[in-house]
Amino acid sequence: SQELEQSPQSLIVQEGKNLTINCTSSKTLYGLYWYKQKYGEGLIFLMMLQKGGEEKSHEKITAKLDEKKQQSSLHITASQPSHAGIYLCGADEYGNKLVFGAGTILRVKS
Amino acid sequence: EPEVTQTPSHQVTQMGQEVILRCVPISNHLYFYWYRQILGQKVEFLVSFYNNEISEKSEIFDDQFSVERPDGSNFTLKIRSTKLEDSAMYFCASSETPGRNSPLHFGNGTRLTVT
Repeated sequence: SQELEQSPQSLIVQEGKNLTINCTSSKTLYGLYWYKQKYGEGLIFLMMLQKGGEEKSHEKITAKLDEKKQQSSLHITASQPSHAGIYLCGADEYGNKLVFGAGTILRVKS
Repeated sequence: EPEVTQTPSHQVTQMGQEVILRCVPISNHLYFYWYRQILGQKVEFLVSFYNNEISEKSEIFDDQFSVERPDGSNFTLKIRSTKLEDSAMYFCASSETPGRNSPLHFGNGTRLTVT
């Protein structure tokens, strides 16, 4: 079955700094989803990437899909305290059965 | 913005008791899911449901688990005889279509504690 490895496991950044979170799959990626979770709460959908080379942005968050490397990256520009949380990548095994990574905990120091 | 709602937000039950977790998916969505997250672990797929039947289920979803869409709006997960290891956060999700064109939208979860 598909496994997703996220790196780093956690990071602490100063407010205003940029950061990148990576998600690497053990198998070919057909669809990659990024979610944000606040501790003890639900998953908030951020972005969906479907094609190799695809890049999407929402406010200060950009995600890219590198099909050849079986990898996706999530980049936050000029981080703010509101960006703090757990970022999860999920891959579509088949038919919307999502497999998730372990998550990256982001803390933003103001 | 439409959202998936789950009730209750917390449920404490004794081992061996039955629990029903409730969800109201987004109204125009046709595909429904349950996932769970044991504290400190990954979010795991349990089951998907479409057209009043299970489409897919994981190894976790054994005979103790069942799902139902009792009316046009609710989607429920029943655990017949809870075990300590069923303690987890249970998330309901829905999507417009299956496959890779439609993201899953998740509820805020029900925290189930089995004592």
